[in-house]
Amino acid sequence: AQSVTQLDSHVSVSEGTPVLLRCNYSSSYSPSLFWYVQHPNKGLQLLLKYTSAATLVKGINGFEAEFKKSETSFHLTKPSAHMSDAAEYFCVVNADYKLSFGAGTTVTVRA
Amino acid sequence: NAGVTQTPKFRILKIGQSMTLQCTQDMNHNYMYWYRQDPGMGLKLIYYSVGAGITDKGEVPNGYNVSRSTTEDFPLRLELAAPSQTSVYFCASSTPGLAGGGEQFFGPGTRLTVL
Repeated sequence: AQSVTQLDSHVSVSEGTPVLLRCNYSSSYSPSLFWYVQHPNKGLQLLLKYTSAATLVKGINGFEAEFKKSETSFHLTKPSAHMSDAAEYFCVVNADYKLSFGAGTTVTVRA
Repeated sequence: NAGVTQTPKFRILKIGQSMTLQCTQDMNHNYMYWYRQDPGMGLKLIYYSVGAGITDKGEVPNGYNVSRSTTEDFPLRLELAAPSQTSVYFCASSTPGLAGGGEQFFGPGTRLTVL
């Protein structure tokens, strides 16, 4: 069985400050892990993915995530938030031919 | 490429009515999926398909049916709509599939309300 826990349902940051979205997972297999972003009334867009290569993964729009097997974590970070980063973010684990989504983290960015 | 397209964008159904949500992709992906997203929740897999003529249940298949007669199309059928099926439905496609860590491409969603 596999599952994903996003530790924060809502994160609020000021523009230009760092963003940290936390994700823990459990999986019986070596997982692939993803972060997706969903802007209001839009579909989901892939930010980045981990598939057992480098543990530090760089994605689009300045985001990156680090896979830590010992901590079963896959936290998403960005050094400097932009207003356009306001959205819903989903951590996703893929193992055993099934995807499991976290409940999502809503990011708001203050001017 | 249009990517993954879904119709309709919005629909209101009465309890007991039926409808088909359409999904088409033009990327020649073998794998296609249907998800539902309830408010404040992540996506849950309803059904998926690994190729034309092959479908399988996901996490929440009850009340839904699918078919896959072509690579491009993967319609989702609701036979007897219930208020519990009020949700936003997303179709997705991918290659080389989940096990390979393949990226999934999502459609814009269909917002369904059952009254």
